[in-house]
Amino acid sequence: GDSVTQTEGLVTLTEGLPVMLNCTYQSTYSPFLFWYVQHLNEAPKLLLKSFTDNKRPEHQGFHATLHKSSSSFHLQKSSAQLSDSALYYCALSESNYNVLYFGSGTKLTVEP
Amino acid sequence: GPKVLQIPSHQIIDMGQMVTLNCDPVSNHLYFYWYKQILGQQMEFLVNFYNGKVMEKSKLFKDQFSVERPDGSYFTLKIQPTALEDSAVYFCASSFGTGTGQLYFGEGSKLTVL
Repeated sequence: GDSVTQTEGLVTLTEGLPVMLNCTYQSTYSPFLFWYVQHLNEAPKLLLKSFTDNKRPEHQGFHATLHKSSSSFHLQKSSAQLSDSALYYCALSESNYNVLYFGSGTKLTVEP
Repeated sequence: GPKVLQIPSHQIIDMGQMVTLNCDPVSNHLYFYWYKQILGQQMEFLVNFYNGKVMEKSKLFKDQFSVERPDGSYFTLKIQPTALEDSAVYFCASSFGTGTGQLYFGEGSKLTVL
């Protein structure tokens, strides 16, 4: 079945350093991939969504590229900010009804 | 932006009792979802609902679970009877259409079954 793997449970970085959060997936079809972000005591919100035409989605300085050959959709940012501290979920969807299957999440902590 | 409201934010009940979790989705949305997150684990899909019907459900959506949205009011998740393993945070989400992945989530309802 479909699955999403996020290998890092916790990532701690110093402000200004680059961010890379890993996401790989298994799917029978060609799914859409997403990154959702959840700040403390808030609801999860969509951060990025993969495109079908190899465009690289970007939002709030974050970007991710879907690599079908390696089944990956890693999240990157060139310079971490304190406000980036949050829980990040990679998710995939291939159903007609928008059902999202989430990875286990990566907690990013950015320190001064 | 659009908000999904969940009531209650916390509920503590005894095993075997019934609980109803309420969700007020974004007003023009048509698709509704429940996800379950046990502490320290990932969010797992339970069920989605459209046009008065369950469209997909997972193995976690046991027979004791039911969902409904009577007359466009709250989208509810009812568990009857509850079990200890039902303790979790339940997230409601809604979306306008399909294929976009743009789900709007509530802040969750934390259920503790004693």
